[in-house]
Order: sequence, then structure tokens, then C-alpha cells
Amino acid sequence: DAKTTQPTSMDCAEGRAANLPCNHSTISGNEYVYWYRQIHSQGPQYIIHGLKNNETNEMASLIITEDRKSSTLILPHATLRDTAVYYCIVRDNAGNMLTFGGGTRLMVKP
Amino acid sequence: EPEVTQTPSHQVTQMGQEVILRCVPISNHLYFYWYRQILGQKVEFLVSFYNNEISEKSEIFDDQFSVERPDGSNFTLKIRSTKLEDSAMYFCASSGDRNNQPQHFGDGTRLSIL
Repeated sequence: DAKTTQPTSMDCAEGRAANLPCNHSTISGNEYVYWYRQIHSQGPQYIIHGLKNNETNEMASLIITEDRKSSTLILPHATLRDTAVYYCIVRDNAGNMLTFGGGTRLMVKP
Repeated sequence: EPEVTQTPSHQVTQMGQEVILRCVPISNHLYFYWYRQILGQKVEFLVSFYNNEISEKSEIFDDQFSVERPDGSNFTLKIRSTKLEDSAMYFCASSGDRNNQPQHFGDGTRLSIL
């Protein structure tokens, strides 16, 4: 079972920041937080991951709370093409599989 | 940017027939995976493969399923005798290692069993 909890859906206005929350209160010390998204029925697309420090790349920023029990994915300027299902996944560094939950369906509106 | 490619994009097969789904992982990756997604449901892990052997598999990956890396570039999933419930999107993924490296996914093969 997925070890994360995410809202089922969110809306965001085009051009605004999209902040997607994720709770992972049972996360262990060696487990990373990964974010993927899935547009339509395409393959899941890797976005970003982190252990305890905040991370930023060309797609997004990942903010992890100090106690690591929750995190937020930030898309700084959402576009219509960011409409997708976003998955927050906790994975330990010895694990093979990614366990996908239901994710958050983000709708970016004009 | 390197990507995982899967063929065919859509496969239609009669129930009971064998089907082989093909994947070309990213060239310097060492870990390979198959996942599936039944329409409207979650993405589910099937199997992981490293060093020419299965390293982990789920309950879904029963005796009807097998994986192979027949040469240095392809990674295949075979379903021996397909059932209606095998209809799904099948995604291949690869990663450089399994410690702190993300898995990168292909765009999938839609398998339709008639």
C-alpha cells in the first residue's frame, strides 16, 4: 500500500504557483520522497525527489518539512500542459518498486 | 534527452494467445522494471530485473508472465496465455541504480485482449 496521502484533486490558475501537498507521516529515515506525474495515459514522468533537504530543478521545487512527515511540490508558474495526476511516493534506497497511490489530479485553468 | 521506448504502442490479441511486449531502456541503465495500469486504476508494480535475473516481483507476476533481456538493448515482457483481465497499459521503466536514482518510464503499450 502507498505510504502517502494526497488530496484527490486541486485546481490552479494558469501562471500561478501550484502547491501540491503530501503527507507521509510514517516515513523512515532512509526513505526518499519522489514525485511523478502522469498526463492522460502516458507513462509516469519523473519530476523530482529528495531525502530531507529542499530540492529544485527545472521543473519544480520540493519542500520537505523538518520532521519529514510531509512535503509540498511547487510548480512555480503552472501552464495548461501541467494538467495531470501528480503522485507522491515514498521509497527506500534499497527498494525496487515504486508504489503508486491515487495521486492528486491537478487541473490548471485559463 | 535519453528515453525509454516501448513497442508496439497498441497490441490487440485473442484470449489465450501469447504476447510479447518490448522495451528499449535508457542505454547506460542497469535496472529494469515492468508496471501495469488497468484502465481507471492505479499503476501497479509487476517485476524488477537486474544482472539478468528477477530481483523482485509482485503477486500479479505469476507463472503466466516472464521477462527477458535477449540482447544488450531490449527488455521484454511475455504473457504466455493471455486472459481478458490482462487488458491494461504496460509500462517499462529503467534506472541507473536503485539507490537514489529515479526510474524513467516509457509511454507504454496498450494491451487489449479480445
